[in-house]
Amino acid sequence: SAVISQKPSRDICQRGTSLTIQCQVDSQVTMMFWYRQQPGQSLTLIATANQGSEATYESGFVIDKFPISRPNLTFSTLTVSNMSPEDSSIYLCSFLGSFPRTEQYFGPGTRLTVT
Amino acid sequence: AQKVTQAQTEISVVEKEDVTLDCVYETRDTTYYLFWYKQPPSGELVFLIRRNSFDEQNEISGRYSWNFQKSTSSFNFTITASQVVDSAVYFCALSEAGSSASKIIFGSGTRLSIRP
Repeated sequence: SAVISQKPSRDICQRGTSLTIQCQVDSQVTMMFWYRQQPGQSLTLIATANQGSEATYESGFVIDKFPISRPNLTFSTLTVSNMSPEDSSIYLCSFLGSFPRTEQYFGPGTRLTVT
Repeated sequence: AQKVTQAQTEISVVEKEDVTLDCVYETRDTTYYLFWYKQPPSGELVFLIRRNSFDEQNEISGRYSWNFQKSTSSFNFTITASQVVDSAVYFCALSEAGSSASKIIFGSGTRLSIRP
Protein backbone atom coordinates (compact mmCIF):
# COMPACT_ATOMS: atom_id res chain seq x y z
CA SER A 1 0.00 0.00 0.00
CA ALA A 2 1.10 3.58 -0.58
CA VAL A 3 3.16 5.23 2.12
CA ILE A 4 2.22 8.74 1.12
CA SER A 5 -0.53 9.96 -1.19
CA GLN A 6 -1.51 13.28 -2.70
CA LYS A 7 -4.70 14.75 -4.11
CA PRO A 8 -5.28 15.86 -6.77
CA SER A 9 -2.73 14.16 -8.97
CA ARG A 10 -3.06 16.92 -11.52
CA ASP A 11 -5.15 19.98 -12.21
CA ILE A 12 -5.53 22.78 -14.69
CA CYS A 13 -6.48 26.05 -13.06
CA GLN A 14 -7.23 29.55 -14.19
CA ARG A 15 -5.10 32.50 -13.32
CA GLY A 16 -6.14 34.21 -10.10
CA THR A 17 -7.71 31.16 -8.50
CA SER A 18 -6.37 29.00 -5.65
CA LEU A 19 -5.79 25.27 -5.34
CA THR A 20 -5.39 23.22 -2.17
CA ILE A 21 -3.26 20.09 -2.38
CA GLN A 22 -3.72 17.35 0.20
CA CYS A 23 -1.04 15.01 1.50
CA GLN A 24 -1.85 11.90 3.52
CA VAL A 25 0.74 9.71 5.23
CA ASP A 26 0.12 6.18 6.45
CA SER A 27 1.86 6.74 9.79
CA GLN A 28 2.38 9.58 12.24
CA VAL A 29 5.29 11.84 11.37
CA THR A 30 6.63 14.92 13.09
CA MET A 31 7.79 16.96 10.15
CA MET A 32 6.39 17.12 6.67
CA PHE A 33 7.89 19.03 3.79
CA TRP A 34 6.51 20.64 0.68
CA TYR A 35 8.61 20.90 -2.47
CA ARG A 36 8.11 22.50 -5.84
CA GLN A 37 9.56 21.26 -9.11
CA GLN A 38 9.21 23.72 -11.94
CA PRO A 39 9.28 22.31 -15.48
CA GLY A 40 12.69 20.85 -16.29
CA GLN A 41 14.09 21.95 -12.95
CA SER A 42 15.19 20.39 -9.71
CA LEU A 43 13.18 20.26 -6.50
CA THR A 44 13.05 23.31 -4.27
CA LEU A 45 11.87 23.21 -0.68
CA ILE A 46 8.92 25.51 -0.04
CA ALA A 47 8.37 24.97 3.67
CA THR A 48 8.58 22.61 6.62
CA ALA A 49 5.33 21.83 8.41
CA ASN A 50 5.26 20.72 12.03
CA GLN A 51 2.04 19.65 13.64
CA GLY A 52 0.63 22.30 15.95
CA SER A 53 2.81 25.17 14.82
CA GLU A 54 3.16 27.49 11.87
CA ALA A 55 5.11 26.27 8.93
CA THR A 56 8.67 27.47 8.38
CA TYR A 57 9.15 28.92 4.91
CA GLU A 58 12.29 28.97 2.83
CA SER A 59 13.67 32.09 1.27
CA GLY A 60 11.52 33.18 -1.64
CA PHE A 61 8.32 31.60 -0.35
CA VAL A 62 5.72 33.34 1.82
CA ILE A 63 2.74 32.20 3.81
CA ASP A 64 0.28 34.43 1.97
CA LYS A 65 1.12 32.74 -1.31
CA PHE A 66 1.56 29.18 0.01
CA PRO A 67 -0.48 28.72 3.20
CA ILE A 68 0.05 25.33 4.81
CA SER A 69 -2.06 23.47 7.31
CA ARG A 70 -0.95 20.59 9.52
CA PRO A 71 -3.97 19.58 11.58
CA ASN A 72 -2.58 16.23 12.71
CA LEU A 73 0.43 13.94 12.40
CA THR A 74 -0.70 12.18 9.25
CA PHE A 75 -2.06 15.00 7.10
CA SER A 76 -1.07 18.32 5.57
CA THR A 77 -2.34 20.70 2.92
CA LEU A 78 -0.60 23.24 0.73
CA THR A 79 -2.59 25.98 -0.95
CA VAL A 80 -1.27 27.77 -4.00
CA SER A 81 -3.02 31.15 -3.87
CA ASN A 82 -3.82 33.68 -6.54
CA MET A 83 -2.16 31.53 -9.14
CA SER A 84 -0.26 32.73 -12.18
CA PRO A 85 1.28 30.71 -15.03
CA GLU A 86 4.62 30.85 -13.20
CA ASP A 87 3.10 28.60 -10.53
CA SER A 88 2.79 25.76 -13.03
CA SER A 89 4.88 23.05 -11.40
CA ILE A 90 4.81 19.70 -9.72
CA TYR A 91 4.21 20.02 -5.99
CA LEU A 92 5.42 17.20 -3.77
CA CYS A 93 5.03 16.48 -0.09
CA SER A 94 7.64 14.50 1.80
CA PHE A 95 8.62 13.12 5.17
CA LEU A 96 11.50 11.22 6.72
CA GLY A 97 10.62 7.81 7.96
CA SER A 98 11.53 6.64 11.43
CA PHE A 99 13.98 3.84 12.04
CA PRO A 100 14.17 1.32 10.44
CA ARG A 101 12.35 3.02 7.53
CA THR A 102 14.91 5.75 7.25
CA GLU A 103 14.42 6.77 3.67
CA GLN A 104 12.92 10.11 2.71
CA TYR A 105 9.51 9.46 1.29
CA PHE A 106 7.97 11.59 -1.42
CA GLY A 107 4.40 11.70 -2.54
CA PRO A 108 3.57 11.06 -6.19
CA GLY A 109 3.25 14.79 -6.79
CA THR A 110 0.51 17.12 -7.98
CA ARG A 111 1.03 18.41 -11.50
CA LEU A 112 -0.41 21.91 -11.66
CA THR A 113 -0.93 23.87 -14.86
CA VAL A 114 -2.10 27.47 -14.64
CA THR A 115 -3.61 29.01 -17.77
CA ALA B 1 25.57 26.77 3.44
CA GLN B 2 24.58 23.55 1.79
CA LYS B 3 25.04 23.01 -1.89
CA VAL B 4 24.88 20.06 -4.25
CA THR B 5 26.44 20.24 -7.70
CA GLN B 6 25.70 17.85 -10.52
CA ALA B 7 27.86 19.19 -13.31
CA GLN B 8 26.56 16.76 -15.92
CA THR B 9 23.31 18.13 -17.27
CA GLU B 10 22.70 15.32 -19.74
CA ILE B 11 24.39 12.03 -20.51
CA SER B 12 23.60 9.67 -23.37
CA VAL B 13 25.11 6.22 -23.69
CA VAL B 14 24.39 3.06 -25.60
CA GLU B 15 22.74 0.21 -23.76
CA LYS B 16 25.12 -2.07 -21.84
CA GLU B 17 27.69 0.65 -21.35
CA ASP B 18 28.70 1.67 -17.84
CA VAL B 19 27.93 5.24 -16.82
CA THR B 20 28.92 7.34 -13.82
CA LEU B 21 26.91 10.28 -12.56
CA ASP B 22 28.93 12.80 -10.60
CA CYS B 23 27.85 14.59 -7.44
CA VAL B 24 29.84 17.10 -5.41
CA TYR B 25 28.48 18.60 -2.22
CA GLU B 26 29.25 21.40 0.21
CA THR B 27 28.33 21.52 3.86
CA ARG B 28 29.78 22.86 7.08
CA ASP B 29 28.25 20.11 9.17
CA THR B 30 30.23 17.06 10.17
CA THR B 31 27.07 14.98 10.31
CA TYR B 32 24.98 14.86 7.19
CA TYR B 33 23.19 12.53 4.82
CA LEU B 34 23.53 12.05 1.11
CA PHE B 35 20.88 10.69 -1.20
CA TRP B 36 20.31 9.62 -4.76
CA TYR B 37 16.86 9.68 -6.32
CA LYS B 38 15.64 8.57 -9.72
CA GLN B 39 12.83 10.41 -11.50
CA PRO B 40 11.58 8.44 -14.52
CA PRO B 41 9.42 10.09 -17.19
CA SER B 42 6.32 9.26 -15.15
CA GLY B 43 7.45 11.88 -12.64
CA GLU B 44 7.53 10.08 -9.31
CA LEU B 45 10.68 10.23 -7.20
CA VAL B 46 12.24 6.85 -6.55
CA PHE B 47 14.55 6.60 -3.56
CA LEU B 48 17.81 4.82 -4.38
CA ILE B 49 20.14 5.29 -1.43
CA ARG B 50 20.75 7.21 1.78
CA ARG B 51 24.28 7.41 3.15
CA ASN B 52 25.38 9.07 6.38
CA SER B 53 28.60 11.02 6.63
CA PHE B 54 30.25 8.53 8.96
CA ASP B 55 29.91 5.64 6.59
CA GLU B 56 32.36 5.91 3.73
CA GLN B 57 31.99 2.36 2.62
CA ASN B 58 31.10 2.05 -0.99
CA GLU B 59 27.83 0.33 -1.67
CA ILE B 60 26.71 -1.97 -4.42
CA SER B 61 23.15 -2.92 -5.18
CA GLY B 62 22.82 -5.02 -8.28
CA ARG B 63 23.94 -2.91 -11.23
CA TYR B 64 24.12 0.21 -9.07
CA SER B 65 27.11 1.28 -7.05
CA TRP B 66 27.99 4.39 -5.09
CA ASN B 67 31.41 5.84 -4.33
CA PHE B 68 31.46 8.17 -1.31
CA GLN B 69 34.68 10.12 -0.78
CA LYS B 70 34.70 12.72 1.96
CA SER B 71 38.15 13.92 0.95
CA THR B 72 36.75 15.24 -2.30
CA SER B 73 33.17 15.82 -1.07
CA SER B 74 31.85 13.55 -3.75
CA PHE B 75 29.16 10.90 -3.88
CA ASN B 76 29.21 9.43 -7.36
CA PHE B 77 26.76 6.92 -8.75
CA THR B 78 27.66 4.26 -11.31
CA ILE B 79 25.31 2.11 -13.33
CA THR B 80 26.94 -0.90 -14.91
CA ALA B 81 25.58 -2.62 -18.00
CA SER B 82 23.03 0.14 -18.45
CA GLN B 83 19.53 -0.63 -19.70
CA VAL B 84 16.91 1.46 -21.47
CA VAL B 85 14.80 1.39 -18.30
CA ASP B 86 17.56 3.31 -16.55
CA SER B 87 16.65 6.37 -18.62
CA ALA B 88 15.55 9.02 -16.15
CA VAL B 89 16.64 12.16 -14.37
CA TYR B 90 18.85 11.38 -11.38
CA PHE B 91 19.12 13.72 -8.43
CA CYS B 92 21.81 13.81 -5.82
CA ALA B 93 20.75 15.44 -2.54
CA LEU B 94 22.05 16.43 0.88
CA SER B 95 20.53 16.96 4.29
CA GLU B 96 22.22 18.08 7.45
CA ALA B 97 21.63 16.59 10.87
CA GLY B 98 20.46 18.53 13.87
CA SER B 99 17.42 20.79 13.99
CA SER B 100 17.16 21.00 10.24
CA ALA B 101 17.32 17.26 9.80
CA SER B 102 15.27 15.91 6.95
CA LYS B 103 15.36 19.14 4.97
CA ILE B 104 16.83 17.93 1.70
CA ILE B 105 18.69 20.12 -0.73
CA PHE B 106 18.70 18.76 -4.26
CA GLY B 107 21.22 19.08 -7.03
CA SER B 108 20.07 20.22 -10.43
CA GLY B 109 19.82 16.67 -11.73
CA THR B 110 21.41 14.69 -14.55
CA ARG B 111 19.24 13.50 -17.39
CA LEU B 112 20.41 10.05 -18.43
CA SER B 113 19.36 8.60 -21.76
CA ILE B 114 20.14 5.01 -22.62
CA ARG B 115 19.96 4.28 -26.33
CA PRO B 116 19.09 0.78 -27.48
